[in-house]
Amino acid sequence: AQSVSQHNHHVILSEAASLELGCNYSYGGTVNLFWYVQYPGQHLQLLLKYFSGDPLVKGIKGFEAEFIKSKFSFNLRKPSVQWSDTAEYFCAVGGGSQGNLIFGKGTKLSVKP
Amino acid sequence: AAGVIQSPRHLIKEKRETATLKCYPIPRHDTVYWYQQGPGQDPQFLISFYEKMQSDKGSIPDRFSAQQFSDYHSELNMSSLELGDSALYFCASRHRGSGANVLTFGAGSRLTVL
Repeated sequence: AQSVSQHNHHVILSEAASLELGCNYSYGGTVNLFWYVQYPGQHLQLLLKYFSGDPLVKGIKGFEAEFIKSKFSFNLRKPSVQWSDTAEYFCAVGGGSQGNLIFGKGTKLSVKP
Repeated sequence: AAGVIQSPRHLIKEKRETATLKCYPIPRHDTVYWYQQGPGQDPQFLISFYEKMQSDKGSIPDRFSAQQFSDYHSELNMSSLELGDSALYFCASRHRGSGANVLTFGAGSRLTVL
């Protein structure tokens, strides 16, 4: 069965600190991987996606993620976080022709100014 | 650019009542997805439609039904509402020809059941 596991429930960082959010997936087939961000009270917005090719993917707002097939991982990184990055981050996997996504439980990021 | 439009944004109902949520996909998007996000939870896939036909089914309760109309908008009908139905309901759309799984989400409809 498809599943997504996010390692951290809540991460608290100070501004300018580096960020890495873990994501592992279980999927039997060609996989597409995503990171979505949900700012407080808002809808899900796509940060970045991986379909194929270069395993290091760059997204919006300085975020990047690395697909490591051998580890079934797709960790999200940002070298220096800002207070405005405070949000909840969801890793998602999809691969079927129907297109629906399976989300992880989410990681809440709080950045202290 | 046009986005996915959901209405109403907020809805308050009592137990055992019915509710209808509407979703208007991005123009030329032919596939619509419904997700339910409970408080502090991850979004759970409910159901999807492609070209007005149900294409996939997730954890949608039997009390819920949905359909996609000829103009590609979709409605989620919820009956015999329970307290546990209180959640944020997201609609997402995509165009199948645009590549796998690139979903654009709407702002969501927040349902509160009292």
